[in-house]
This record gives sequence, structure tokens and C-alpha cells, in this order.
Amino acid sequence: QLQLQKSGPGLVKPSETLSLTCTVSGGSINNRNFYWGWIRQPPGKGLEWIGHIFYSGSSYYNPSLKSRVTISVDTSKNQFSLRLSSVTAADTAVYYCARMPGRYDVLTGYYVLYFDYWGQGSLVTVSS
Amino acid sequence: SYEMTQPPSVSVSPGQTARITCSADALPKQYAFWYQQKPGQAPVLVIYKDTERPSGIPERFSGSSSGTTATLTISGVQAEDEADYYCQSADSSGSYVAFGGGTRLTVL
Repeated sequence: QLQLQKSGPGLVKPSETLSLTCTVSGGSINNRNFYWGWIRQPPGKGLEWIGHIFYSGSSYYNPSLKSRVTISVDTSKNQFSLRLSSVTAADTAVYYCARMPGRYDVLTGYYVLYFDYWGQGSLVTVSS
Repeated sequence: SYEMTQPPSVSVSPGQTARITCSADALPKQYAFWYQQKPGQAPVLVIYKDTERPSGIPERFSGSSSGTTATLTISGVQAEDEADYYCQSADSSGSYVAFGGGTRLTVL
């Protein structure tokens, strides 16, 4: 059974960098059928895609966060990580990591990309 | 980027049918995916590729898509279905992901 375990501080000071790591167990991150993604949810609000990464290191980011976000992957540790710089109170949210099946559907011309396994999120608060 | 629009809330009585819509200009060219989220829990995938149901998801959950609107249908709603539901899609290159704003389903 695939599991994603998120780790990192629950409190970050304004202007500093938020760093989270997601460790994958029960499956290899080194798999061309999947991307690995980060999603966040401010208290009482909806889901926001942050970005995702392929095992090769190719990464994609939400344009609204792109200038502050870096997602990296460490296949030797079966982990991927999120760094969000210059945080403010608006970055306070529950952060989730997730596995993303991704492929081009040649029959329809659609790109199939979604989240099938989610880690248990936890609140990251930005406060001094 | 593109927007995906959902109604903020839908209410139904137990045993009735709930329909939650998701509108986006990109949907005629992309699949829709649906997630259920209960308070304090991570979202769970309930529909993928417009109409497919993952294993373990009850048959009362179904999906459809026509034109710019995707619809999640829950037939014979049960009290345990009370939750927030989100639609999601991606662009044609897999480099952008969008979520709808979410719909709170209330079982009266």
C-alpha cells in the first residue's frame, strides 16, 4: 500500500522559507507513470495546486507562486521536497503531498493528470 | 491558466439525487476529475477521466461531461456523503493543474 509521509516544521516566520519533504513508501518514486505533487488549502478555503515534479527532475509550478517555489526530487531517498520562499501570513495553510498519475491519452488527445494518493496534510502557520 | 466554476453549495435529502456541476472552457478538450473531502481529512478521488470510478468508491457516485460542463452525480445520497467536493483538470501538456472552488454538499 502506497504511503506518503510529510515532514517539516509547523511554524515558519514571515519572510523566511517554508521547507517540506514527502517520503514515499510502498512504491518507487522512480516511475515514469507518475508525477509527484504539492497542494495546499488555507483554513476554510479550497484546494490550490502548488506544483509537481517528475522523477527526472522536470518540474511545473502554479504561475501565481512560481517566483517563490522550488520542488525537487531525491530518488535515492524516495523523497520529494517543497521550498516556498519569502512567506507571509497568506501562505498559512494545510499542505499536502500526493502522487499524480500522468500520461498523454493518444485516443482523445487529452492529458490525464490527477491525484490518486494523498499524504495526510498538516497545518503550516506563518507567524512571528 | 483557466477557471473551473462550481456552485458553493448543494443540499439534498437522504435518498435523493445530488448533482454537482463544474464549468470550464477547457473541459471539451480535457478530462475532469472529482474529489471528496470530509472535515480534517485529505481529499479522496471519487471520479477520474470524466466517468471512471476508482475501486472502493460506491456505485452511487457517477460522472459525466458534456461541452464545458462536467457533472458529479450521487444517487441515493446518504448522510455519510456530506462533504466538500472539488473538480480538477489539467492543461493539454500536463504542465498546469486547476481545481474548482469546491461545493459543500449538505444532506438535510
